Amino acid sequence: DSGVTQTPKHLITATGQRVTLRCSPRSGDLSVYWYQQSLDQGLQFLIHYYNGEERAKGNILERFSAQQFPDLHSELNLSSLELGDSALYFCASSVGSGGARTGELFFGEGSRLTVL
Amino acid sequence: AQTVTQSQPEMSVQEAETVTLSCTYDTSENNYYLFWYKQPPSRQMILVIRQEAYKQQNATENRFSVNFQKAAKSFSLKISDSQLGDTAMYFCAFMKGNSGGSNYKLTFGKGTLLTVNP
Repeated sequence: DSGVTQTPKHLITATGQRVTLRCSPRSGDLSVYWYQQSLDQGLQFLIHYYNGEERAKGNILERFSAQQFPDLHSELNLSSLELGDSALYFCASSVGSGGARTGELFFGEGSRLTVL
Repeated sequence: AQTVTQSQPEMSVQEAETVTLSCTYDTSENNYYLFWYKQPPSRQMILVIRQEAYKQQNATENRFSVNFQKAAKSFSLKISDSQLGDTAMYFCAFMKGNSGGSNYKLTFGKGTLLTVNP
């Protein structure tokens, strides 16, 4: 158990809909990362938040948005869903300020999104 | 931009034998980290081993070891005494070093599916 919690584990929805994926990082971790894993694109970095502030953006579509709340949990919002958005969405967390194992990310179990 | 290439989409090995997974990367950075992550059927990403680019000594973690060739930009993973539980997708990943910030973005390869046969 990595200590990172993601909900829901599975989600099935229709095209055009909007969903919210939730992530609770490990206790004490300030950084939250979102990754998308699909068969054709592999693992792609979407966005990074550190202590409530957006720090880096990757290949995140404009239809997608994220935020990190004061309690450090994060939500990834996916809107106007398309078939191609079907993927496994991972959240990862890290200490965020160095430490004994700088650079180690702890991953949740992912949220499997299926768009029909 | 960094790229990570895993040229072996699938590999198989007999239980108790040794297998090596290949990874090459491209970067202009001098300070970086390299990782191997394992994704079993349970789908959770699990860190297997990490290597700091400034260290010449190859990292080892029990049955897992790496062959890090910085000049060649190569980072292979060797699994000794393979076990059935090693069956998983293995991802090579790159992370830029940072000077005290908090950005730990990983760039992943496409993965190698390893099957350990009894």
